[in-house]
Amino acid sequence: DTAVSQTPKYLVTQMGNDKSIKCEQNLGHDTMYWYKQDSKKFLKIMFSYNNKELIINETVPNRFSPKSPDKAHLNLHINSLELGDSAVYFCASSQDGSHYGYTFGSGTRLTVV
Amino acid sequence: KNEVEQSPQNLTAQEGEFITINCSYSVGISALHWLQQHPGGGIVSLFMLSSGKKKHGRLIATINIQEKHSSLHITASHPRDSAVYICAVKNNYKLTFGKGTLLTVNP
Repeated sequence: DTAVSQTPKYLVTQMGNDKSIKCEQNLGHDTMYWYKQDSKKFLKIMFSYNNKELIINETVPNRFSPKSPDKAHLNLHINSLELGDSAVYFCASSQDGSHYGYTFGSGTRLTVV
Repeated sequence: KNEVEQSPQNLTAQEGEFITINCSYSVGISALHWLQQHPGGGIVSLFMLSSGKKKHGRLIATINIQEKHSSLHITASHPRDSAVYICAVKNNYKLTFGKGTLLTVNP
């Protein structure tokens, strides 16, 4: 069973479209995250949810809206896609107080054309 | 200046060599993570440290909180260790990442 699963794995879309990326974790973790990895492979936090509540919202355009229907899911919706949104988006989860680190999804490669 | 600095940026080694990757940070942290990203893109968490030293197989991670410095060591390196190794520091719920070290181990 995949611990953190993201769909889709690849997404090619035109500028101006609206798209969603889904993430689900079956680890029982309290906290979920979205990270963006740019073309230079640099990772940066976008959002973090703890028990369905938004706790981190970095400087991200408001075209990006996370939604957490329950603590096992954190979806990312992007409106009016731009060329600069092309990147790999990683979902991750963690459990506070745990001695273990983060568990990452396999990533969604978004290409805006 | 980034809050998390890694060195070297690129590292090429021969199979069997001892590898060291360094990470320095400039902010207060609750924990430091070492991550591995393979060419296929997946990210794996190797270690989470808040003090001292941890060992897993051929990998060893150390942290010096006073000096704000951590090292990742790989003993008896192997071509399958070729990957990008990323240091990340945790403050509250936020992870801040270094730019990664690209390690290539040649047979």
